[in-house]
Amino acid sequence: GAGVSQSPSNKVTEKGKDVELRCDPISGHTALYWYRQSLGQGLEFLIYFQGNSAPDKSGLPSDRFSAERTGGSVSTLTIQRTQQEDSAVYLCASSLPLTGGGAEGGRAKNIQYFGAGTRLSVL
Amino acid sequence: KQEVTQIPAALSVPEGENLVLNCSFTDSAIYNLQWFRQDPGKGLTSLLLIQSSQREQTSGRLNASLDKSSGRSTLYIAASQPGDSATYLCAVRKNNAGNMLTFGGGTRLMVKP
Repeated sequence: GAGVSQSPSNKVTEKGKDVELRCDPISGHTALYWYRQSLGQGLEFLIYFQGNSAPDKSGLPSDRFSAERTGGSVSTLTIQRTQQEDSAVYLCASSLPLTGGGAEGGRAKNIQYFGAGTRLSVL
Repeated sequence: KQEVTQIPAALSVPEGENLVLNCSFTDSAIYNLQWFRQDPGKGLTSLLLIQSSQREQTSGRLNASLDKSSGRSTLYIAASQPGDSATYLCAVRKNNAGNMLTFGGGTRLMVKP
């Protein structure tokens, strides 16, 4: 696709409900990242995928948060039993493989390209 | 733990001024540093990426410098325009093994016509 696509763009949920956020990366990007942007917290890393595996989950704030990626493409971030402090904008980014040389269509391999985010509001 | 700080947090300038945004990081063992722009309600747009072996990168009216040993980067914007109004974020990557970006808190820039 032309860019990283995230859905839904906005999500309002009640405390205690589960939510799923979706990220569709740029075609051919094997690296995928989830970040969270909260008021007063800035942008913080959640999890990183290389292909379907997640070598770095160090940013997930609790065991209520999980993510998966299938087919080396779409990723889903799931938040169980949502709390009000989970309210934030959840951003997804993708990049070309981090090893190997060359650029593709002008997109340097180290640059992360971000989606517009999902704004989650937990009431 | 890497910490990234951006100064100032907010900046308001008249159109046409040249300006400098500052970014500092505590761990100089970085792989690269990236400057982003974020417009309200939108995602991040990459502006410039500087590899750890580089000293600066330029794109149009933007120039980013990197002094890895002192843990500093600056983003220079020449002849600012109202369309430059946005939040500017710097982020560092620790190594090339796919680790995450660590972001600064951003500088919110307003360029007045």
